[in-house]
Amino acid sequence: GAVVSQHPSWVICKSGTSVKIECRSLDFQATTMFWYRQFPKQSLMLMATSNEGSKATYEQGVEKDKFLINHASLTLSTLTVTSAHPEDSSFYICSAIYLGQWTEAFFGQGTRLTVV
Amino acid sequence: GEDVEQSLFLSVREGDSSVINCTYTDSSSTYLYWYKQEPGAGLQLLTYIFSNMDMKQDQRLTVLLNKKDKHLSLRIADTQTGDSAIYFCAESIENNDMRFGAGTRLTVKP
Repeated sequence: GAVVSQHPSWVICKSGTSVKIECRSLDFQATTMFWYRQFPKQSLMLMATSNEGSKATYEQGVEKDKFLINHASLTLSTLTVTSAHPEDSSFYICSAIYLGQWTEAFFGQGTRLTVV
Repeated sequence: GEDVEQSLFLSVREGDSSVINCTYTDSSSTYLYWYKQEPGAGLQLLTYIFSNMDMKQDQRLTVLLNKKDKHLSLRIADTQTGDSAIYFCAESIENNDMRFGAGTRLTVKP
């Protein structure tokens, strides 16, 4: 099946710094990528939907200036957590789909962010 | 590593019940989830079950968990054409990271 690679798998950063997470579709063109966040002991929360070449659509309550999403090509989307704070510590996961006849979603392996 | 496995396809007739199965291998799973993905959309949480429960029912949805066999199922009663989608099961393990199955594509025929 298709592969989505997410990098890094885990990262520790200092409060106030920015962190970039990459999501790559390795063998297909991802027309749409989704970014999710998981809070401890809770399920995934959709943060934003990004379509290649256009601005991301953020879910209500997600700060677009804090969570910058770029989807500049059909194989790469990035999520940048700007001026990270400890409350941003979480598990972030991306998924990618190709808007063909069937829209299976393929998931990255996730990124564990810890802000200290 | 540990895997979450699902059958890839299921086809049913409208009005029948659908049963989507999932197996997992990590016995330390704390929560197990069922998500639905409609064409072009992100994941929608349908229901979840805590690992010390055997069953959970929510309207047309029934989740059964056999912890001994590490088997999870989702039953949709009176399946409708609007239920056609891809259904993902997922487990949340002790460190709170989630793992997903590959998804089961449910097709509902009129």
